[in-house]
Amino acid sequence: DVKVTQSSRYLVKRTGEKVFLECVQDMDHENMFWYRQDPGLGLRLIYFSYDVKMKEKGDIPEGYSVSREKKERFSLILESASTNQTSMYLCASSSRRGPYGYTFGSGTRLTVV
Amino acid sequence: AQKVTQAQTEISVVEKEDVTLDCVYETRDTTYYLFWYKQPPSGELVFLIRRNSFDEQNEISGRYSWNFQKSTSSFNFTITASQVVDSAVYFCALSGIQGAQKLVFGQGTRLTINP
Repeated sequence: DVKVTQSSRYLVKRTGEKVFLECVQDMDHENMFWYRQDPGLGLRLIYFSYDVKMKEKGDIPEGYSVSREKKERFSLILESASTNQTSMYLCASSSRRGPYGYTFGSGTRLTVV
Repeated sequence: AQKVTQAQTEISVVEKEDVTLDCVYETRDTTYYLFWYKQPPSGELVFLIRRNSFDEQNEISGRYSWNFQKSTSSFNFTITASQVVDSAVYFCALSGIQGAQKLVFGQGTRLTINP
């Protein structure tokens, strides 16, 4: 069964900490994405990557960075966590070769205290 | 810029009722894809349907049906004879066909089916 796996289901971090959210896919997909989900706002794109070592900003990249050293792994980094980054984070992947559409991970609910 | 609007924030119906979730989109692309995803309480988004902008045929899958109308930029989703297991947040989304195919999501509609 093809999968996108996010390393943690729940995380609690302190303000100012550096936080790493990990995402791994086993489908050999070129594209990977990080979204955050907040009530009433839907899913908003933070960063995406269309190839190893390539990254592009999404709609809300401030306060975040990403790393893609291997095709299957895409990491989201909160350089200095703040309480307004408390949210559900969803990773997804897709293939450039089709069929088009995302496969999502189960999400990481991050609370920054 | 692309935009997806789901005007219904929350819908609550009694089991066995039919319910329609609305989705309106904006795009300058001539070719694009439209999607519906379901997010049950477990949190993982589940793919329901993908529709190519060239294909305006309505689709039915069991109790689910989708009405794509390019003239009104709408892609509505109907659940017939709703069941408690249909309770979830439903997202409509839009992507281009070129490049990384970023998905733009609507705000989501929380659907509650009461027994």
